[in-house]
This record gives sequence, C-alpha cells and structure tokens, in this order.
Amino acid sequence: QVQLVQSEAVVKKPGASVKVSCKASGYTFTSYYMHWVRQAPGQGLEWMGIINPSGGSTNYAQKFQGRVTMTRDTSTSTVYMELSSLRSEDTAVYFCARGVATNSYYFDYWGQGTLVTVSS
Amino acid sequence: DIQMTQSPSTLSASVGDRVTITCRASQSISIYLAWYQQKPGKAPKLLIYKASSLESGVPSRFSGSGSGTEFTLTISSLQPDDFATYYCQQYNSYCTFGQGTKLEIK
Repeated sequence: QVQLVQSEAVVKKPGASVKVSCKASGYTFTSYYMHWVRQAPGQGLEWMGIINPSGGSTNYAQKFQGRVTMTRDTSTSTVYMELSSLRSEDTAVYFCARGVATNSYYFDYWGQGTLVTVSS
Repeated sequence: DIQMTQSPSTLSASVGDRVTITCRASQSISIYLAWYQQKPGKAPKLLIYKASSLESGVPSRFSGSGSGTEFTLTISSLQPDDFATYYCQQYNSYCTFGQGTKLEIK
C-alpha cells in the first residue's frame, strides 16, 4: 500500500533553515510528482511547490521562491523540502502529497504531516 | 492567481441531514476542482476530483457538481463520521485551496 512517512516535529529559531523529509513506499517513486502543502495552526491549506522525482525538476509557488528548495533521493525514495530564513509565520504543519497523475496538481496520498515551530 | 471562496465557513447540521457546501472560483477553472475532508490532527482526504468524480472508496452519499466558477459538494445523509472540515481546491492553474468549511454537530 502507498505510504508517505515524514520526519518528526522540529523547533527552529527565527532566521534558521529547516529540512523536512518524506519517504515514499508502495509504488514506483519516479512515476508520480510530489507536492508540499502547509497548514498554519487553525488555518487553511497552502500549496508550496512540486518536484518531479524522476528528473528532479521543480516549480515553486511565487510566495516561497527564493526561500524553498525541494530535492529528492531516488536511492531511498525520499523527497525533501528545505525552507530558509524562517520566521514565526512559518510555524505550520508541512505535508507532502502525491500528485494523482503526472504533473497533476491534486493529491491522492498524503504524509502524516510534520510540525515546524519557529520560536526564539 | 485564482482565488477560491467557500461558503459557509461554518455549518451546523444533524445526523441524517442533507448538506451542501459551495465553492466559487475567481475565474473559470473548467471542471478542475477537487474536494477534501480533513479531521483534526490528520491529513486531508481526497473525496471528489474533476468536480464530480468520486474517489475510490468514498461513500456514495458524497457528490460534487459544477463547472466554470461555481461548484457544490453535497452530503446526502450526514453520518457521525462526516463531521469535519471540507476544502475545495482548484487545479486548473497550479493549486489553490478554499478557506475551508467546518461542519459541526447541531
């Protein structure tokens, strides 16, 4: 069965960077694009960007361009999302989510979420 | 960017009720709309895609309709497990979510 397992919760100071991982299993890793979506406490869902695990190409939401980097490791079927220059407003649960089809922007499987807390 | 607006923000209903949630897009998105259900502390769950296609394993009491800029999610007879927050999402141009509709027990 398809599973997306994310890294554990983390606390970071303002100005630092965070790197969240998402390990995929139960399907061919390189056949489905992966997205990152975040949710601030008590708020809605916000799309951050997409990575093609096959070639590594990415496309980021304009809001995060310059601060986010998405990468992948095909040997371990893992995608990563790194967010830099953290501020308190980046406190949120970060989800990886599998695109339903190639370059599709809706999602059939989600990770369990990783809480990133930005606090001094 | 395409903006998505859901109404109502909160909906109080009882088990067995028929409920409808509306989602409006700031410009036409054809039928490229999905609906998700989210429970506290959990990831969203895909219910509907392409405006009206039911995801595998989702109960048939859930249905979606619409095209262009106006869409609805209907639950025909509310069950206790349905009390949750619902989000619409457009994927005609990248991805944008609505702000959510919290479905509460009356």
